[in-house]
Amino acid sequence: AQKVTQAQTEISVVEKEDVTLDCVYETRDTTYYLFWYKQPPSGELVFLIRRNSFDEQNEISGRYSWNFQKSTSSFNFTITASQVVDSAVYFCALSEVGTSYGKLTFGQGTILTVHP
Amino acid sequence: NAGVMQNPRHLVRRRGQEARLRCSPMKGHSHVYWYRQLPEEGLKFMVYLQKENIIDESGMPKERFSAEFPKEGPSILRIQQVVRGDSAAYFCASSPQGPGFGEQYFGPGTRLTVT
Repeated sequence: AQKVTQAQTEISVVEKEDVTLDCVYETRDTTYYLFWYKQPPSGELVFLIRRNSFDEQNEISGRYSWNFQKSTSSFNFTITASQVVDSAVYFCALSEVGTSYGKLTFGQGTILTVHP
Repeated sequence: NAGVMQNPRHLVRRRGQEARLRCSPMKGHSHVYWYRQLPEEGLKFMVYLQKENIIDESGMPKERFSAEFPKEGPSILRIQQVVRGDSAAYFCASSPQGPGFGEQYFGPGTRLTVT
């Protein structure tokens, strides 16, 4: 069965600090997708990134970067020079292609608070 | 191309009433997923539908909950005889191609409050 663990329940940083959100996953499928979503206080889910299991290249998008390591089943997310607007709940999610019809399994979420 | 639409955005029901949540997928999308986010919890899968078919309902409570995605019109998540524990945010997501491609586009959610 698929499982996603976000061990950090809450993280608090001061503006301009770098912060890394951890995500560890479990799956038996060889083909799967990993995602990060942001849920700001307004409540909607904002898509940040999708990565398939065959692409282990790290990705950078502005202040955001992602580190995917299959050897440790981790897909960590780093925000560089954090800003107050980054305050939100961040969810990591896994979608298995072969066995579970593509449904997303979410981690419990990490509440990030960035203080001015 | 409009995004995934959900209505109502906020719904208040008294215990025992019925709640109907609607999800209009993006144009051309024929796959819909429903997820529930209980207070202080992550999102949990409920049901996956294709047009006129329920493909996977392994996350749906066995009683009082049902879902449909008719040939015409939005997908409906129906909760009969609501209880306080049903208070949650309900999100739907649509996909153009089904499970093999990993794309799901989320709607803004419906926040159900049961009083």
